[in-house]
Amino acid sequence: AQSVTQLDSQVPVFEEAPVELRCNYSSSVSVYLFWYVQYPNQGLQLLLKYLSGSTLVKGINGFEAEFNKSQTSFHLRKPSVHISDTAEYFCAVSGWTSYDKVIFGPGTSLSVIP
Amino acid sequence: DTAVSQTPKYLVTQMGNDKSIKCEQNLGHDTMYWYKQDSKKFLKIMFSYNNKELIINETVPNRFSPKSPDKAHLNLHINSLELGDSAVYFCASSQGAGGELAKNIQYFGAGTRLSVL
Repeated sequence: AQSVTQLDSQVPVFEEAPVELRCNYSSSVSVYLFWYVQYPNQGLQLLLKYLSGSTLVKGINGFEAEFNKSQTSFHLRKPSVHISDTAEYFCAVSGWTSYDKVIFGPGTSLSVIP
Repeated sequence: DTAVSQTPKYLVTQMGNDKSIKCEQNLGHDTMYWYKQDSKKFLKIMFSYNNKELIINETVPNRFSPKSPDKAHLNLHINSLELGDSAVYFCASSQGAGGELAKNIQYFGAGTRLSVL
């Protein structure tokens, strides 16, 4: 079974500053990794995903994440945030086996301060 | 043209009532899901159907019963509602089936906010 930890429940950051949202996972098998974003009163949408290959993954809205197998981490970064990035961010993991379900982390609330 | 649509958006009801939430996707996906998001934003999968067949059935009370009349629809019926059922329920869908299921992007509906009084 897999599990996901997001160490920071809330991250306030000033507009145009860089941000890193941390995600660690545990799994006894190889995994797929995802970051989803949830804007207020909306459903989740995919930011980016890691399936295999290059460990640096670029997503939408200028976000990127790096898969680090030795540290079992998949931290999300953006060099300069905007007010519109204020949202809940969820890291998620799934195993490679058939019908593995996606396990979501508890979420990190990013608040961008003008 | 909404890809995954849920109705109703808000549902306020009394304890003990029975209610249904409907979900439809127009993406041609084979797999649909129901998630529950509690007040702390924690998201937990409840059920998943692939081509109308139940493939994930997490430990939820049997008062919750999903029904998939076709692969574009997955409804959730809840009997004897309790206070603890208050949450936001999300429907989602993804393409594909079988062993490649886990890597597919899930598309979420906007959610149904259920309040049990």
